[in-house]
Amino acid sequence: GNSVTQMEGPVTLSEEAFLTINCTYTATGYPSLFWYVQYPGEGLQLLLKATKADDKGSNKGFEATYRKETTSFHLEKGSVQVSDSAVYFCALSVRTNAGKSTFGDGTTLTVKP
Amino acid sequence: DAGVTQSPTHLIKTRGQQVTLRCSPKSGHDTVSWYQQALGQGPQFIFQYYEEEERQRGNFPDRFSGHQFPNYSSELNVNALLLGDSALYLCASSQGREPNSPLHFGNGTRLTVT
Repeated sequence: GNSVTQMEGPVTLSEEAFLTINCTYTATGYPSLFWYVQYPGEGLQLLLKATKADDKGSNKGFEATYRKETTSFHLEKGSVQVSDSAVYFCALSVRTNAGKSTFGDGTTLTVKP
Repeated sequence: DAGVTQSPTHLIKTRGQQVTLRCSPKSGHDTVSWYQQALGQGPQFIFQYYEEEERQRGNFPDRFSGHQFPNYSSELNVNALLLGDSALYLCASSQGREPNSPLHFGNGTRLTVT
């Protein structure tokens, strides 16, 4: 079956620090990969996505590259801000199971000024 | 442009009771998926509705059922509630059944079973 594994949290960083949140996956077929973010008191929202190998998704200074050889989709940001404090979820969906997304357990990020 | 709306926001039920949760998808979206999110975990797929039919189902018992209406809105019904059903229930909408289409989530319904 499909699965997503995220690095365990929580992660606490100082403002302007470099962020990496690891995500690896197993999937049957050719998955699309996503990062969703959940800010305090809000619903999940798409942060970025990549639909094929070597694609790089980017948004709001965050980046992630679809690495088929290592089955990974690590999230990075060069300089985090206090406003980036949230829970980050890595997810995949496979064409043969359209709409049935598989999520990781989430990584809580806290950025301190 | 209204996003995904869910009601109610919070609900408290007693074990053995039945509950109905409601969802209106984002304008222009025709597919609704339901997820259960336990505390500290990622969302778990319950099922998906498209063209008023259940198209995909996750590993949830038959106590979980749903419906989609002609206006694309959807309901999630849970019968014979168990304490373990306490969770945040998320509705997500998307356009068609294209896997590359990202999900748009509502803020969820927090269900507590006592």
